[in-house]
Amino acid sequence: DAGITQSPRHKVTETGTPVTLRCHQTENHRYMYWYRQDPGHGLRLIHYSYGVKDTDKGEVSDGYSVSRSKTEDFLLTLESATSSQTSVYFCAIRGTGDVEAFFGQGTRLTVV
Amino acid sequence: AQSVSQHNHHVILSEAASLELGCNYSYGGTVNLFWYVQYPGQHLQLLLKYFSGDPLVKGIKGFEAEFIKSKFSFNLRKPSVQWSDTAEYFCAVNAGDNQGGKLIFGQGTELSVKP
Repeated sequence: DAGITQSPRHKVTETGTPVTLRCHQTENHRYMYWYRQDPGHGLRLIHYSYGVKDTDKGEVSDGYSVSRSKTEDFLLTLESATSSQTSVYFCAIRGTGDVEAFFGQGTRLTVV
Repeated sequence: AQSVSQHNHHVILSEAASLELGCNYSYGGTVNLFWYVQYPGQHLQLLLKYFSGDPLVKGIKGFEAEFIKSKFSFNLRKPSVQWSDTAEYFCAVNAGDNQGGKLIFGQGTELSVKP
């Protein structure tokens, strides 16, 4: 399995609080992605990174910010969590060239 | 902008039936195409991929997919499904490195195989 770790794996938080999810890789891959998975919507891209300090928005970026200060870590922050952000969050990594992405185990976030 | 559309949201088949799941994408440039599978409670795993060359690609567990450029399609097939194929299947499109490397998924198709 690719060296990718998400933390925490489960989190329950209250509406209005900030939350940060971490994706850590040991593969030195260029690309890192954050997705949310919801029934009926598949995986929707939140933000992605194509290098240190290089990030771009995905389809559902409102309410989320990201940071990548070093190759191995990609942080996803919910500035003020809302119930609509209750979801399973997946991180993925991908190297350059014609290669596939590898996924983390996911983080189940519940906002109450 | 890239987009991916999977036509079937939920497919129910009996064991030994043939499977075809549709996937269409929208993107004007060169793309890489993937099918991923997610078994219950697990993360996504790669089934097969297309980068270039032969448009008929074979993956793991007897799955194959055909890239038809003129139709912007990349349909997944399996001649005879098994109960263990019950899972959710996702089609994905990736723009090349010189186009930002964005990776977009379809809505997913849930496959239920009855024993």
